[in-house]
Amino acid sequence: LAKTTQPISMDSYEGQEVNITCSHNNIATNDYITWYQQFPSQGPRFIIQGYKTKVTNEVASLFIPADRKSSTLSLPRVSLSDTAVYYCLVSNDMRFGAGTRLTVKP
Amino acid sequence: NAGVTQTPKFQVLKTGQSMTLQCAQDMNHNSMYWYRQDPGMGLRLIYYSASEGTTDKGEVPNGYNVSRLNKREFSLRLESAAPSQTSVYFCASTLRHVGTDTQYFGPGTRLTVL
Repeated sequence: LAKTTQPISMDSYEGQEVNITCSHNNIATNDYITWYQQFPSQGPRFIIQGYKTKVTNEVASLFIPADRKSSTLSLPRVSLSDTAVYYCLVSNDMRFGAGTRLTVKP
Repeated sequence: NAGVTQTPKFQVLKTGQSMTLQCAQDMNHNSMYWYRQDPGMGLRLIYYSASEGTTDKGEVPNGYNVSRLNKREFSLRLESAAPSQTSVYFCASTLRHVGTDTQYFGPGTRLTVL
């Protein structure tokens, strides 16, 4: 099973762009990369998913290089409400890991 | 649609007591999952049911049993609760048991075992 590695925590300020990188060196050819967001006392919720290059939705962008051994979640102009834990998962790997705890400061 | 619902929201047990956590989804999903999340940690998969009538172990199944009662409901049972099972339990569902399908999570059950 593919395993992911993310930074444990990150700090940012309101209005900044935040990039969270996830390493998945053993990703398989048919694996997708999915990111979830979890607020305190809530279950995780889906943010974005991609296979290669770039995916963008109303919440975030996901950048995946050609070798697909890593991916970067980009959150544009973060606000205090983006303070949460962000998880990177690879297809069929149900292990959420510890995620990245993002703290947005005023 | 209520999505994924879990009961109870909170529970306190004494060591050795038993209880069942209930989960239901109204999205006509085929696959359902039980996770636990310890303070400051990520989620760990306890059991899952890829389809009605099947169940499989996840990372941390010891001390738990599950029942896929029907397509909508997936319960988690603690036969003899231990303090190490103090955690927040999340149920999730997906349309299919494939990695590209989004998992939808319930609000969680906060369990304390004294």
